[in-house]
Formats: sequence, C-alpha cells, structure tokens
Amino acid sequence: GQQLNQSPQSMFIQEGEDVSMNCTSSSIFNTWLWYKQDPGEGPVLLIALYKAGELTSNGRLTAQFGITRKDSFLNISASIPSDVGIYFCAGRYTGANSKLTFGKGITLSVRP
Amino acid sequence: ETGVTQSPTHLIKTRGQQVTLRCSSQSGHNTVSWYQQALGQGPQFIFQYYREEKNGRGNFPPRFSGLQFPNYSSELNVNALELDDSALYLCASSFGPGREDTEAFFGQGTRLTVV
Repeated sequence: GQQLNQSPQSMFIQEGEDVSMNCTSSSIFNTWLWYKQDPGEGPVLLIALYKAGELTSNGRLTAQFGITRKDSFLNISASIPSDVGIYFCAGRYTGANSKLTFGKGITLSVRP
Repeated sequence: ETGVTQSPTHLIKTRGQQVTLRCSSQSGHNTVSWYQQALGQGPQFIFQYYREEKNGRGNFPPRFSGLQFPNYSSELNVNALELDDSALYLCASSFGPGREDTEAFFGQGTRLTVV
C-alpha cells in the first residue's frame, strides 16, 4: 500500500539539541498528523494540521502543513530523553472515510 | 490512556488457522478503523466501520474481515493465516465522518505471530 516518505530511518541527537523531520507525499492531503509510538504501544497523536500553510505548536513541538499539501515537517526543540521513540507522519484526504496513510517512521535516539 | 483497549495483547497462531482480535472503542466513538503494522513499517489501513457498516477498505485480501457492534466494540477476523500476517494490529476509534477536527485514538495493539 501507499506510504508517505520519511527519511532518514533513524536520527541520533544530543540532549538539548533541536531536530527537524519532514514528510513528503506524491498525493495531496487535507489533513496532516504527527504521531509518536513507544515500544509495545499504539501511536499517540502529537499535532494535527488542517490548513495548507498552517503552523501549529504543542509545547516543544512545532509542525507545519506545506502549502502544496504534499508535505509537512515536525520540529522538536530542546530535546530530552523521553523524546526517544518512533515518529510517524500521516495524511488524510477528506472523503467517505477517515483513512490515514502513514510514513515508515523515523526512530529518534537522544544521547544524554 | 486513550480509552481504546485491545485484546489479546499477544497471540501466537499456526499458519492456516483463523484468528479474532477484539477492540473496545472509546465511549461515544461510532467509527473504528483497523490497521496492520509490520515490523519497521508504518500502519497500513485495513478497513473502517461507521455505525456498524463498512465504510472503506484498504488493499487487503478478503481473508481479512470485521464487525462492529452497537456497544462500541469491534472485531478483526483473519482466516487462513499466512506467515506474512505476523504484525502488530491496531484499532483506532473516532467520531464519524464530518468530524475531521477530532482525531482517532489508537489502542495499544495486538502482536500476532504466525508460525
């Protein structure tokens, strides 16, 4: 099935650093979402974006909905050890159902 | 705590067998979606139910079927299990279409291993 493009597969940063991840698609979406997944758990929603160009923050997280509607980025500032996990982007095209299309995810490691 | 619970948390089945996975949605959520997450991949949409009717299906064979019940619970059934069906199965509950400003909550998943 279709997956959004997230790269690299893994990122390693030092505690306190900022990190940025982006996500691209060949299709347009009306909604972009960013999730974090910890081992043995389901994805947890971090930020939802509903308008092209929208910039939204949630604490140390900031995400933007690209104006082409084919991309989004997530920025984490001043990283802390609990930021470790897998970060997924997901897109939704408003239609008959609310199906989400996910990327492969980026595994973030934070060195103390 | 998302209010979405799945059972069992882990399951081992033999190739060719059938399996039923269960999900209890958050109260008030009339939409449930099921996703398959293979190791190292993002979740893939299997299907969605809205008010007990199927409301969309992903690229999965007919061996994958489901049901949604009036009490906010749902099932995913997989027949004739194959080794490639080994994955984390996630359910997500939400309000229905037209409530795009409210997002789905995921359960913790059922880890299915087919041997």
